[in-house]
Amino acid sequence: QVQLQESGPGLVKPSETLSLTCSVSGDSINSLYWSWIRQPPGKGLEYIGYIYYSGSTNYNPSLKSRVTISVDRSKNQFSLELSSVTAADTAVYYCARVNENYSGSQYYYYMDVWGTGTTVTVSS
Amino acid sequence: DIQMTQSPSSLSASVGDRVTISCRASQSITSHLNWYQQKPGKAPKFLIHAASSLQSGVPSRFSGSGSGTDFTLTISSLQPEDFATYFCHQTYSTPWTFGQGTKVEFK
Repeated sequence: QVQLQESGPGLVKPSETLSLTCSVSGDSINSLYWSWIRQPPGKGLEYIGYIYYSGSTNYNPSLKSRVTISVDRSKNQFSLELSSVTAADTAVYYCARVNENYSGSQYYYYMDVWGTGTTVTVSS
Repeated sequence: DIQMTQSPSSLSASVGDRVTISCRASQSITSHLNWYQQKPGKAPKFLIHAASSLQSGVPSRFSGSGSGTDFTLTISSLQPEDFATYFCHQTYSTPWTFGQGTKVEFK
C-alpha cells in the first residue's frame, strides 16, 4: 500500500523559507510524478508543482519565482521549498503521487495517492 | 491558465437522492478531467480520471461523464458517507487547476 507523509515546521515567519518533506513508502520515487498542492483555510485546492522521477520539474507560474521541488532518492523523499513567505501562504500543504494512464494515444494524469496534509501558518 | 467552474457551490440532499455536480472548463480539455472527494480535515480522495474512469474500489454509484468543456459527476443514490466536498481537476495543460468545490450537505 502506497503511503505519503508530509513533515516540516508548522510555523514559519514572514519573509522566511517554508521547507517541507514528503516521505514515500510502498513505492519507489524513481518512477512517475510527485506533486505538491495546498489549500488555504476554508478555500479550494491550488497546484504548486511536480517533479518527474528524472528530475525535471513543473511549477505553477503564480509561485514559480519562489518554489523549488527536489527529490532525495536515497531516502525515497521529495521536498518543497517556498521562499519569501507571507500570510497568504498559510495553508494545509499536501503531497501526492501523480499516476498516468495511456489510452487512445494520450497520457492521462491524476493524483491517486495523497498525504494526510500538514498545516503551515505564516506568522511572526 | 484554464479556469474550472463548478456548479452548484453547495447543495442539500437526502440519503437515496440522485446528485449531479457540474464542472465547466474555460477551454477544451478533451477528457483530461479528474474528480476527488474531500471530507472535513482529511486529504482529497481520488475518484475518477479521464472524465469517466472509476478508480478501483470506488463504489459504482459514482460516475463521471463529459468531454471538451462540460463535465458531470453523478452519485446515483446518495449514501451517508458521501456527504463531502467534491472537486474537479484538469490535467490537460499546466498549471493544473481545480474547481472551487461543491459541498454536498444533508437536507
